[in-house]
Amino acid sequence: DIQMTQSPSSLSASVGDRVTITCRASHSFSGFLNWYQQKPGKAPKLLIFGASSLQSGVPSRFSGSGSGADFTLTISSLQPEDSATYYCQQSWTLPLTFGGGTKVEIK
Amino acid sequence: QVQLQESGPGLVKPSQTLSLTCTVSGGSVSSRAYYWSWFRQPPGKALEWIGYIYYTGSTWYNPPLKSRLTMSVDTSKNQFSLNLTSVTAADTAVYHCASVRAAREADNWGQGTLVTVSS
Repeated sequence: DIQMTQSPSSLSASVGDRVTITCRASHSFSGFLNWYQQKPGKAPKLLIFGASSLQSGVPSRFSGSGSGADFTLTISSLQPEDSATYYCQQSWTLPLTFGGGTKVEIK
Repeated sequence: QVQLQESGPGLVKPSQTLSLTCTVSGGSVSSRAYYWSWFRQPPGKALEWIGYIYYTGSTWYNPPLKSRLTMSVDTSKNQFSLNLTSVTAADTAVYHCASVRAAREADNWGQGTLVTVSS
């Protein structure tokens, strides 16, 4: 199985800040990395697929990058509604596996 | 847009079988574009992929669960289902169904249903 490790596990930032979350895989792969946002009591929401493609309807302040074993989710200007937990997920090989999550709080 | 809704018991006794159904609307389980998947999330923990099924009935399961797991699809009802046998407290979680596009990314999710395993 490919293990996914996210960092940090939590962060606190101010509205307007640039926020970066990283995801490291135990094995390198090409591009099949997705990012989800989950708010308490809600289902996950797909933000980024294929490492860098923005899902339809997702604000452009969200972006993804990376390849090999290291991937990044960036929120260019943090908004109050971005308070949530973010998960990376690899779809390179089965079983599909997720990172442990990064909780983003607004200062 | 595809919408999904889970249904099933919220409480299951240890050693019994957990059975859930996902009803799909706004799309068809016969779509060749999607794999129909189950995920779960124990309280306060990360997401876990359980498995997925294609409209043909082909299945792919997460290996730790494989010996206890059966998924099925009912194209006439536009539903797919999960059966997990011999449950323990470790199976307590919110269970989500989802559509997985091209077997890669889960783009539509059900709201989730909490299943508690307890006597």
